[in-house]
Amino acid sequence: EADIYQTPRYLVIGTGKKITLECSQTMGHDKMYWYQQDPGMELHLIHYSYGVNSTEKGDLSSESTVSRIRTEHFPLTLESARPSHTSQYLCASSEQRPSQGGTDTQYFGPGTRLTVL
Amino acid sequence: KNQVEQSPQSLIILEGKNCTLQCNYTVSPFSNLRWYKQDTGRGPVSLTIMTFSENTKSNGRYTATLDADTKQSSLHITASQLSDSASYICVVSDRGSTLGRLYFGRGTQLTVWP
Repeated sequence: EADIYQTPRYLVIGTGKKITLECSQTMGHDKMYWYQQDPGMELHLIHYSYGVNSTEKGDLSSESTVSRIRTEHFPLTLESARPSHTSQYLCASSEQRPSQGGTDTQYFGPGTRLTVL
Repeated sequence: KNQVEQSPQSLIILEGKNCTLQCNYTVSPFSNLRWYKQDTGRGPVSLTIMTFSENTKSNGRYTATLDADTKQSSLHITASQLSDSASYICVVSDRGSTLGRLYFGRGTQLTVWP
């Protein structure tokens, strides 16, 4: 079981509210990621970070923002939630293992199921 | 078009039976392929990882195969258990960047009945 945590696990909120989804890991991993996943669909990378003060947008355009002030913490914020933001948000972290072809095994948190009414 | 295609989309089997899930990919250049298990309402958990030089990898009752020439992989589950009910996701990584970009399939939803 990976030591990566997400809160809240479920969130139902009204349109226009500001929300922050929390993600923390205790493995000391430099790399962290946010994915968005709709039912029956593949995961889409929306944000990633290589380390403190490093954040990048992923493949899927998202109105959310992220910050990385501490290694273990990678929160995601939506300034004004809309129904189109309803989805599952998964946080992950990794460290590079050269033996695995130079790419990382990502460890995922349990996810936050967000519903915007 | 998704560069990682999985089949079947869903599968129902009886407890104790074996099954095989398929993954075809077009990702190039290829770095490695992973199979993840995702329980309902949880994050994915890595089962196996294979680089281009490996053609089989086992993890308990799970055995993954890889044919890098035909760009196909399979995940074989032996003597299925009720706890195997989950979505199984094929993930392919390319060599294109330091990030090692990941391409996710949509998963096969496996249901094991008693």
